[in-house]
Amino acid sequence: GENVEQHPSTLSVQEGDSAVIKCTYSDSASNYFPWYKQELGKRPQLIIDIRSNVGEKKDQRIAVTLNKTAKHFSLHITETQPEDSAVYFCAASVTSMDSWGKLQFGAGTQVVVTP
Amino acid sequence: SQTIHQWPATLVQPVGSPLSLECTVEGTSNPNLYWYRQAAGRGLQLLFYSVGIGQISSEVPQNLSASRPQDRQFILSSKKLLLSDSGFYLCAWRRTGVLGEQYFGPGTRLTVT
Repeated sequence: GENVEQHPSTLSVQEGDSAVIKCTYSDSASNYFPWYKQELGKRPQLIIDIRSNVGEKKDQRIAVTLNKTAKHFSLHITETQPEDSAVYFCAASVTSMDSWGKLQFGAGTQVVVTP
Repeated sequence: SQTIHQWPATLVQPVGSPLSLECTVEGTSNPNLYWYRQAAGRGLQLLFYSVGIGQISSEVPQNLSASRPQDRQFILSSKKLLLSDSGFYLCAWRRTGVLGEQYFGPGTRLTVT
């Protein structure tokens, strides 16, 4: 089955700097890669996702890049703010119109933005 | 718009007691439904998923079970709780026929004492 590894496990950045989280996956058939943000005690929230037919996707200060050949994808947060402090999870799945869409999650990255 | 509910929000149960957690989704039909568990400070572990009424698949063998008695209702149960069952239980849904996006409910925080 799919295995997703996520690095680093913790990331401390100064406010205004950029943060990068990297994930690798094992199943070359995986074609959907979401990122979730989880604040303390809250549910994970989908913040951005990318499909395998796209190399990069941006939404304001966050972006995701995908390298299918190397089987890795990354989350980039620019101009970090204190409210970006949270745990971020990457995930991968083989998804299709008829699939069950099971997500395999990485272990998470605790991001701390210090003022 | 779609909404997902879970209850109770928090629960404290003694070891050996039964468990029933409920999840319902509004605003969509025939969703794919998922139960996850998150231990304190840990990642998300998929426990069960369902593609329709009465159709349940288990990812991890354990003392938990799931049922889907109605299209938009998903229930997680146990006959006898263990200390290791403590955690944050999250229900999630995905619209059938849509590629990808999975959305989580607010979760139930279970403490087994």
